[in-house]
Amino acid sequence: GNSVTQMEGPVTLSEEAFLTINCTYTATGYPSLFWYVQYPGEGLQLLLKATKADDKGSNKGFEATYRKETTSFHLEKGSVQVSDSAVYFCALSGGEGAQKLVFGQGTRLTINP
Amino acid sequence: AAGVIQSPRHLIKEKRETATLKCYPIPRHDTVYWYQQGPGQDPQFLISFYEKMQSDKGSIPDRFSAQQFSDYHSELNMSSLELGDSALYFCASSPWTGAPTGAFFGQGTRLTVV
Repeated sequence: GNSVTQMEGPVTLSEEAFLTINCTYTATGYPSLFWYVQYPGEGLQLLLKATKADDKGSNKGFEATYRKETTSFHLEKGSVQVSDSAVYFCALSGGEGAQKLVFGQGTRLTINP
Repeated sequence: AAGVIQSPRHLIKEKRETATLKCYPIPRHDTVYWYQQGPGQDPQFLISFYEKMQSDKGSIPDRFSAQQFSDYHSELNMSSLELGDSALYFCASSPWTGAPTGAFFGQGTRLTVV
């Protein structure tokens, strides 16, 4: 079945550092890929998405490119801020998994001033 | 913009009691999903509904049931509660467009079973 694997956390960076959170997936068919962010005590917010190969999703300075050849959707940001501290989930839906989202295990990111 | 509304936000129940969680999707979203998130875990899909019919089923225990009503709100009913049911329960909604669009999540209901 469909699955998502994220880099293990936690990740701690200094403000203005470059961020990469790796995400790879296994899926049949042609899934759509997503990054969600969860701030403490809150629900999951859709950060960005890509629906086909080579699409780049972007939002709030974050970017991720749908790489079918490497089955990856790595999240990047050029200069992180303290307010980016949260848990980040990579997810996929579609393909033969229908509409439901399948999540990776989440990566906790802490940004120090 | 309107978001997904869940109630209650917090719920404390004793073992073997029942609980009902409610979800009001974003207007014009006809698909509702329920997820369970344990401490430090990723959300696990429980069940989904499209146009009041169950559209997919995940790891939902037999003690749980859910339905979607004519106004598209959904309820998750949980009976014979166990300590292990303590978790955050999220509802999400999306429009059914024939292609995955992602889903929009509510704030969640934190259920504590004591």
